[in-house]
Amino acid sequence: KAGVTQTPRYLIKTRGQQVTLSCSPISGHRSVSWYQQTPGQGLQFLFEYFSETQRNKGNFPGRFSGRQFSNSRSEMNVSTLELGDSALYLCASRTGTGASPSSFGPGTRLTVT
Amino acid sequence: QQQVKQSPQSLIVQKGGISIINCAYENTAFDYFPWYQQFPGKGPALLIAIRPDVSEKKEGRFTISFNKSAKQFSLHIMDSQPGDSATYFCAASRHGGSQGNLIFGKGTKLSVKP
Repeated sequence: KAGVTQTPRYLIKTRGQQVTLSCSPISGHRSVSWYQQTPGQGLQFLFEYFSETQRNKGNFPGRFSGRQFSNSRSEMNVSTLELGDSALYLCASRTGTGASPSSFGPGTRLTVT
Repeated sequence: QQQVKQSPQSLIVQKGGISIINCAYENTAFDYFPWYQQFPGKGPALLIAIRPDVSEKKEGRFTISFNKSAKQFSLHIMDSQPGDSATYFCAASRHGGSQGNLIFGKGTKLSVKP
């Protein structure tokens, strides 16, 4: 079974721009969650989607948004990029109920200059 | 406010030794405690998880010990191997893990020397 895939793997953007990251969950998984990983703050929860609905949201500004499609694929968008948004963005999937994410994708490394 | 505190930040263990990583939490509403293993260039992978109704859970060489009254839990890696060298994260969540919002510790970088 293929794992969680994320595209692109690396991205360089300029401050003020916006960016869209994509996540394809494991086949059959209906829940997708997103995390930001930085050396200083560690892993922080961004949001979770289940059946195209946002089920949970972390403590991030409104510049961070996401969506999920009917095939469970998910995208997250960051608008008006700031230098502090440079991070590894990780996506995880699970069946949807009562189960912690078993694995995460390899992440998208975003660098904001 | 850091809700899950993890220590040590780094750990060096000889091959065959026992690696011990500790975590403490503050929110008594947490009721699901997973551990993740992350290799360089990879995303975290679920290693083992425990709920507070048991004090210990073992899977192969990996054991979680849980102390509800002290609000602490730890990961023990028995017979540590060089292949175990990775960063380990403890985490906690509410509602039995049914929600995706895990609160992570800051991680422990484990190096197992041959």
